[in-house]
Amino acid sequence: SQQGEEDPQALSIQEGENATMNCSYKTSINNLQWYRQNSGRGLVHLILIRSNEREKHSGRLRVTLDTSKKSSSLLITASRAADTASYFCAIMNSGYSTLTFGKGTMLLVSP
Amino acid sequence: NAGVTQTPKFQVLKTGQSMTLQCAQDMNHNSMYWYRQDPGMGLRLIYYSASEGTTDKGEVPNGYNVSRLNKREFSLRLESAAPSQTSVYFCASSLSPSSYNEQFFGPGTRLTVL
Repeated sequence: SQQGEEDPQALSIQEGENATMNCSYKTSINNLQWYRQNSGRGLVHLILIRSNEREKHSGRLRVTLDTSKKSSSLLITASRAADTASYFCAIMNSGYSTLTFGKGTMLLVSP
Repeated sequence: NAGVTQTPKFQVLKTGQSMTLQCAQDMNHNSMYWYRQDPGMGLRLIYYSASEGTTDKGEVPNGYNVSRLNKREFSLRLESAAPSQTSVYFCASSLSPSSYNEQFFGPGTRLTVL
């Protein structure tokens, strides 16, 4: 199964700014999920977008999926210091029932 | 609800020693997973159990064995630990292996093999 690749590897912004991170993949997917990991902790699910969906919102999170470009983006609006974490995309490939995680984007939000 | 719990939180082993990492969930989930996370890497799937009574290999199963003890518990065993198995191990669970279920993660076990 394939791995998603996040971009950028690291992102540093000020509180109040928007943060955008991207995930690319190579073959057809069933769905794509985004997770957050605070330092030294387990992962927390943020949002799932199905292959037939183009955009989803959850609070300050907005996820888009472009299957023609095989890419997804996660936008966090009005970032807060508490958003400082690593963010991972996870691919559910078509025909599989397990997730494959990317290497993540480290987001630092400074007060 | 405690969610997904893992024991121990930290462990140091010498090369060749064995140990079992324990995982339990109280969400009545059918599927459970073991991952390892190495610095600068995403999570890699070691083994998973789609339902009680079944286990399957993931991406990096060599050097590990698993037991799905019951619906709640899924253990990971290192029979003869090697330095390459130094990592942080995460257990996760989901309602079912259905494509549209999120996974819930435990806090992790940090393992060092000397």
